[in-house]
Amino acid sequence: GAVVSQHPSWVICKSGTSVKIECRSLDFQATTMFWYRQFPKQSLMLMATSNEGSKATYEQGVEKDKFLINHASLTLSTLTVTSAHPEDSSFYICSARTGNRGTEAFFGQGTRLTVV
Amino acid sequence: DAKTTQPNSMESNEEEPVHLPCNHSTISGTDYIHWYRQLPSQGPEYVIHGLTSNVNNRMASLAIAEDRKSSTLILHRATLRDAAVYYCILRGVNNNDMRFGAGTRLTVKP
Repeated sequence: GAVVSQHPSWVICKSGTSVKIECRSLDFQATTMFWYRQFPKQSLMLMATSNEGSKATYEQGVEKDKFLINHASLTLSTLTVTSAHPEDSSFYICSARTGNRGTEAFFGQGTRLTVV
Repeated sequence: DAKTTQPNSMESNEEEPVHLPCNHSTISGTDYIHWYRQLPSQGPEYVIHGLTSNVNNRMASLAIAEDRKSSTLILHRATLRDAAVYYCILRGVNNNDMRFGAGTRLTVKP
């Protein structure tokens, strides 16, 4: 199946710094990518939908100025966690689809962010 | 969004079949039923999806009730590597995104 690559797999940063996570669709073009956050023992929570060439759509309660999303090309979306705090520590996962609701979604391997 | 209900956890013995149920009583006629699974510390992995007819692929089978209000993911011979959280998700005509419920945590015993 299609491959979605996420980088880095894990990162540790200091409070107050920013961290960028990349999500690439390696063998297909993704007009839409999705970003999720997952806390321990919990399910994935959709944070935002990223559309190539336009502004991302954020879910209620997700701060768009804190979680900056850029989808500059059909194969790359980035999530930047700005001014990170320990409560931002989580598992961040991106997803991309090749088509509509009748097709499957492909997920990155996730990024474990730890803010110290 | 139409919701799905799954048992929190299930157990299986290795090399035995596993039937993972999902209830979706408010499903609409245009909703697809998707199944994904998530192994520890990994992103979710596509398993199977269907609309009305039963579906088979190399990973699993999907049995969809005639009224479409429930479905069952069937792993024909569970292996230790099948231990994961399995998510049943509905995707409708207006759903560009994919939202996850709590899923079923499958434990496979040797």
